[in-house]
Amino acid sequence: GAVVSQHPSRVICKSGTSVKIECRSLDFQATTMFWYRQFPKKSLMLMATSNEGSKATYEQGVEKDKFLINHASLTLSTLTVTSAHPEDSSFYICSARDYGGYTFGSGTRLTVV
Amino acid sequence: RKEVEQDPGPFNVPEGATVAFNCTYSNSASQSFFWYRQDCRKEPKLLMSVYSSGNEDGRFTAQLNRASQYISLLIRDSKLSDSATYLCVVALRGAQKLVFGQGTRLTINP
Repeated sequence: GAVVSQHPSRVICKSGTSVKIECRSLDFQATTMFWYRQFPKKSLMLMATSNEGSKATYEQGVEKDKFLINHASLTLSTLTVTSAHPEDSSFYICSARDYGGYTFGSGTRLTVV
Repeated sequence: RKEVEQDPGPFNVPEGATVAFNCTYSNSASQSFFWYRQDCRKEPKLLMSVYSSGNEDGRFTAQLNRASQYISLLIRDSKLSDSATYLCVVALRGAQKLVFGQGTRLTINP
């Protein structure tokens, strides 16, 4: 089946630094990818929809200047958390629409200290 | 009102029991429906899609009532490995993005 690879799986960074998370579709082309955030014991909340070759579409309340999304190819989307703060600590998951439905990356656990 | 609402849970049931989860959605333009399961600190994995006619996959049965905007999942003969959080997920007609319910935590006890 379709595979979405997400890296890193876990990252710890200092407040004020930036962190980049990569999401790759390994065996299919994904013109659209989705970025979610999940806080402990909460459900996934869509942050933005990443469109290959164009600007991402952000959900209401998500700061586009803080969460930079780049989707430069049909197999790669990146999410950069800029000037990270402890409240940005969360589980970030990407997803892509494939021929069978939706496939999720394995997630990135970000801890900002 | 949340777009997708689920039983708050948590559910703690003995192995072998039958468990039922309910879910309602608010947008009548919703077109696609799914149940996902999520293990602790892992990504969601598709359990099954839900079709209007209802569908079954082994011990799992999903039902959809479009008139009531209601989705259900039934797990029969529950196993220890069924312990997870079950997410009700909806997609709007023409939209690609998924809307997740808050999830229901299920623990199967030996």
